[in-house]
Amino acid sequence: GAVVSQHPSRVICKSGTSVKIECRSLDFQATTMFWYRQFPKQSLMLMATSNEGSKATYEQGVEKDKFLINHASLTLSTLTVTSAHPEDSSFYICSARVVGSGHNEQFFGPGTRLTVL
Amino acid sequence: LAKTTQPISMDSYEGQEVNITCSHNNIATNDYITWYQQFPSQGPRFIIQGYKTKVTNEVASLFIPADRKSSTLSLPRVSLSDTAVYYCLVGFNNTNAGKSTFGDGTTLTVKP
Repeated sequence: GAVVSQHPSRVICKSGTSVKIECRSLDFQATTMFWYRQFPKQSLMLMATSNEGSKATYEQGVEKDKFLINHASLTLSTLTVTSAHPEDSSFYICSARVVGSGHNEQFFGPGTRLTVL
Repeated sequence: LAKTTQPISMDSYEGQEVNITCSHNNIATNDYITWYQQFPSQGPRFIIQGYKTKVTNEVASLFIPADRKSSTLSLPRVSLSDTAVYYCLVGFNNTNAGKSTFGDGTTLTVKP
């Protein structure tokens, strides 16, 4: 299957700093990528849909000025958590969708563990 | 978006067949049904996808009745390493639009 990578895999930062997470589709082009957040023992929560060359679509309750998403190319989307606070500590997961004849598949990255001190 | 309902947890023993059913009463005509597996601190991994009837691959089977209001993931002869959370997703359609949201998932525990 297609491979999606995320960088970094783990980051610890101080409160008030900004953190950028990269999501790359390694062997395919993805016009659409998704960003999810997952708290311990909970399901994945969709934060936003990232479309190449256009503005991201955010889910209700997700602050677009705090979670900046840039999808500048068909293989890269970035999520920047601005002025991070301890409550932003979570597991952030991206995915990229492949649309083909007769199927739709969504491939997930390995996730990024963010800890804000 | 179609809402999905799954059992919160299931227990099984090594070597048994496990069937996890997902309800999706509001599934749209063009929606696909996809199942994912997730281990702790990892991204979800694609297991199987189907639209109707039965789909089988090397790791699982997916059974979808004619009304498509539910689906059943079947894992043959599970092992300890199949202990994970399993998610049923409904929400893609066959265009480059739409989004998928996760339900609560089913925590499968395989015992020796």
